[in-house]
Amino acid sequence: DAGITQSPRHKVTETGTPVTLRCHQTENHRYMYWYRQDPGHGLRLIHYSYGVKDTDKGEVSDGYSVSRSKTEDFLLTLESATSSQTSVYFCAISDGRSGNTIYFGEGSWLTVV
Amino acid sequence: TQLLEQSPQFLSIQEGENLTVYCNSSSVFSSLQWYRQEPGEGPVLLVTVVTGGEVKKLKRLTFQFGDARKDSSLHITAAQPGDTGLYLCAGHTGTASKLTFGTGTRLQVTL
Repeated sequence: DAGITQSPRHKVTETGTPVTLRCHQTENHRYMYWYRQDPGHGLRLIHYSYGVKDTDKGEVSDGYSVSRSKTEDFLLTLESATSSQTSVYFCAISDGRSGNTIYFGEGSWLTVV
Repeated sequence: TQLLEQSPQFLSIQEGENLTVYCNSSSVFSSLQWYRQEPGEGPVLLVTVVTGGEVKKLKRLTFQFGDARKDSSLHITAAQPGDTGLYLCAGHTGTASKLTFGTGTRLQVTL
């Protein structure tokens, strides 16, 4: 299993509060991603990073920000959580080679009430 | 936005039956991957296909990439309860190593 740790694994928060999800990898992979998974939508890319301090938006980036100050850590922040951000969030990593295999973390379940 | 549509969305079959899941797009992909996801876990890669017309076999699973690299199929022979899960196709366009995922096919195999 790829060394990916997501925290917290489960969180309930109130509308309007800030939330930060953390992804930590031990594989020294260049690329890191944050996806959200919702019924009927599959996995949708929120933001991704192609190196330290190098990030870009995915298809559903509104309301989210990210930071990558170290190779091993990729943070996803919801500045002011809304109920529409209730979802399962997956961090993923890739070295950009090996057929572009992407390895996923175990997910973070976020409920915004 | 490149879309990948999977069909069927849900499939419930009995052990021993065969099934095929389809993944279609109007876009061309440089490679296509299939993942399986079990409840409470992240997706796990099953296979990557790169060449148009390519066929790969993984035990009872057969994966095919369309000649035009716009579609793919997953065929399972003699399904078993252990095959139960969410199957996701994902296409790679070569841009910053990003993958576009399909909406998924939820398979249930019963005894």
